[in-house]
Amino acid sequence: NAGVTQTPKFQVLKTGQSMTLQCAQDMNHEYMSWYRQDPGMGLRLIHYSVGAGITDQGEVPNGYNVSRSTTEDFPLRLLSAAPSQTSVYFCASSYAGQGAYNEQFFGPGTRLTVL
Amino acid sequence: GENVEQHPSTLSVQEGDSAVIKCTYSDSASNYFPWYKQELGKRPQLIIDIRSNVGEKKDQRIAVTLNKTAKHFSLHITETQPEDSAVYFCAASIRSNFGNEKLTFGTGTRLTIIP
Repeated sequence: NAGVTQTPKFQVLKTGQSMTLQCAQDMNHEYMSWYRQDPGMGLRLIHYSVGAGITDQGEVPNGYNVSRSTTEDFPLRLLSAAPSQTSVYFCASSYAGQGAYNEQFFGPGTRLTVL
Repeated sequence: GENVEQHPSTLSVQEGDSAVIKCTYSDSASNYFPWYKQELGKRPQLIIDIRSNVGEKKDQRIAVTLNKTAKHFSLHITETQPEDSAVYFCAASIRSNFGNEKLTFGTGTRLTIIP
């Protein structure tokens, strides 16, 4: 199993450009999430999904879009990049066991710089 | 929403000594408290977690305690070793309407073990 994979590893954008961060998992996990990590601010939830076709907002959703057409993939779209979106982005997935508290498995991260 | 505070932000201890990291949370409905370790340039990984119906949990050199009345929980690392050097994040979880865990993370503690 590859686990949770993310592409690209690094990306530099100019203000106003759009792009999609890719996330895929091969563990058949129903739950997938996107976080951003900024110095001194921990990990903040952007959007999450509980299954194909079902998504919801997290703490910091503005400027980002998501969709989930398959169990495996959960892309994050930046519609018009801003310098404030410079961050490290982590995708995570977890099993949707009933009545259980399930470990979130993180991808390796994407370091995004917006100039 | 949930607010998680974590202290200290940096911690240096001599190899072999103990380290303690403390977190407080605001929402009494939180019921699951995981701790993640992130080594430099790597992804966060779960090291230990505790549920709200348990006061303490131990796994070899690491332990977590939970005081639901005071709404705080702590990570204890004994007999610290150089490989314990990393950033540690606490988190508090609330079940969403969809049934998944929505994690709110603390801001992290950078632990340095001095040889």
